[in-house]
Amino acid sequence: RKEVEQDPGPFNVPEGATVAFNCTYSNSASQSFFWYRQDCRKEPKLLMSVYSSGNEDGRFTAQLNRASQYISLLIRDSKLSDSATYLCVVNHLKGTYKYIFGTGTRLKVLA
Amino acid sequence: NAGVTQTPKFQVLKTGQSMTLQCAQDMNHEYMSWYRQDPGMGLRLIHYSVGAGITDQGEVPNGYNVSRSTTEDFPLRLLSAAPSQTSVYFCASSRTSGRVRPGELFFGEGSRLTVL
Repeated sequence: RKEVEQDPGPFNVPEGATVAFNCTYSNSASQSFFWYRQDCRKEPKLLMSVYSSGNEDGRFTAQLNRASQYISLLIRDSKLSDSATYLCVVNHLKGTYKYIFGTGTRLKVLA
Repeated sequence: NAGVTQTPKFQVLKTGQSMTLQCAQDMNHEYMSWYRQDPGMGLRLIHYSVGAGITDQGEVPNGYNVSRSTTEDFPLRLLSAAPSQTSVYFCASSRTSGRVRPGELFFGEGSRLTVL
């Protein structure tokens, strides 16, 4: 079993739709959680960190469920420019800073 | 605003050749790492370092060497290239290490390596 698992998609949604992705992690000692965005043939870039109480950044909302060991990303009012691959990232060993990436979920927003 | 700089951006090697991918960051980050990205596999950690003189293995270290003689540089060496090492390689750095909460990873633009 992979340490961090994501549905690869693609998720094809119309503009304006709301879409949600989940990511599960296997190590209960995982400390920090992030969502990264990667455009085709580009480097990943931080979209948002995920905090225990959940957090929101504009149209994006991230949630953490430690009991069930998953994090989620909700995108409201999807834009064409949201089309990308969304990577779930977990840092699971205290003090050693090994960032483990999921394989990513591909999103295509259609006009 | 250089951030993380990787060179070369593209490279073609023959099986058995050796080469070094260079990575430099100008943000005084303690943490640096190398990933490879393959279709359907996501980013896999090759090696990482939490400071000058300290390196450790990630998920897929075989066939690669690293060293960290300075805070700024973290080169990745392919000892004897194999077709299985055809991939896109990313270097990434972060400002935090030790007991502080992990921070944002900053990535270089990637190095696309083909081994024939």
